[in-house]
Amino acid sequence: DAGITQSPRHKVTETGTPVTLRCHQTENHRYMYWYRQDPGHGLRLIHYSYGVKDTDKGEVSDGYSVSRSKTEDFLLTLESATSSQTSVYFCAIRDADPNEQFFGPGTRLTVL
Amino acid sequence: GESVGLHLPTLSVQEGDNSIINCAYSNSASDYFIWYKQESGKGPQFIIDIRSNMDKRQGQRVTVLLNKTVKHLSLQIAATQPGDSAVYFCASKGAGNQFYFGTGTSLTVIP
Repeated sequence: DAGITQSPRHKVTETGTPVTLRCHQTENHRYMYWYRQDPGHGLRLIHYSYGVKDTDKGEVSDGYSVSRSKTEDFLLTLESATSSQTSVYFCAIRDADPNEQFFGPGTRLTVL
Repeated sequence: GESVGLHLPTLSVQEGDNSIINCAYSNSASDYFIWYKQESGKGPQFIIDIRSNMDKRQGQRVTVLLNKTVKHLSLQIAATQPGDSAVYFCASKGAGNQFYFGTGTSLTVIP
């Protein structure tokens, strides 16, 4: 398995509170991604990073911010969580070549 | 925008039979595709990939076929086993570094 961990694995929080999810890799891959997975939808990209301090928005970035201060860590922050952000969040990594993208185990977030 | 879709949300097959899962993509410029397997409560697991300069690629018990003319991708699983029961979805790499995912086909293997 690709060396990707996510923390926490489960979290329940209340509307309006800040939440930070962490993705950690040991593969030294350049690209890191945050997706959310909801019933009836394919995985949807929130943000991704193409290097330390280099990030870009995905299709569902509103309400989320990210940071990457080290190659191995990619943080996803919900500044003020809403119930619509209840979801399963997956981190993925990819190297420049080949293109294989590998996923972490996921974080189940519930916003009450 | 780009989209990826699967033809069947569910598929049931007898153990030992072959399974075929289909996928369609919208962007003719997509140059790379991946099939994933996702078991309940787990992250997607990479199965096999194919580049757009290929029509077919084989792995262990799996084959991916790519038809660029009709923008169609399929995953064939030979001699399907109970452990193959999962959700399968395809992903296409679009412009830049983004991937687009289908919603998945839930495969059930009947013993």
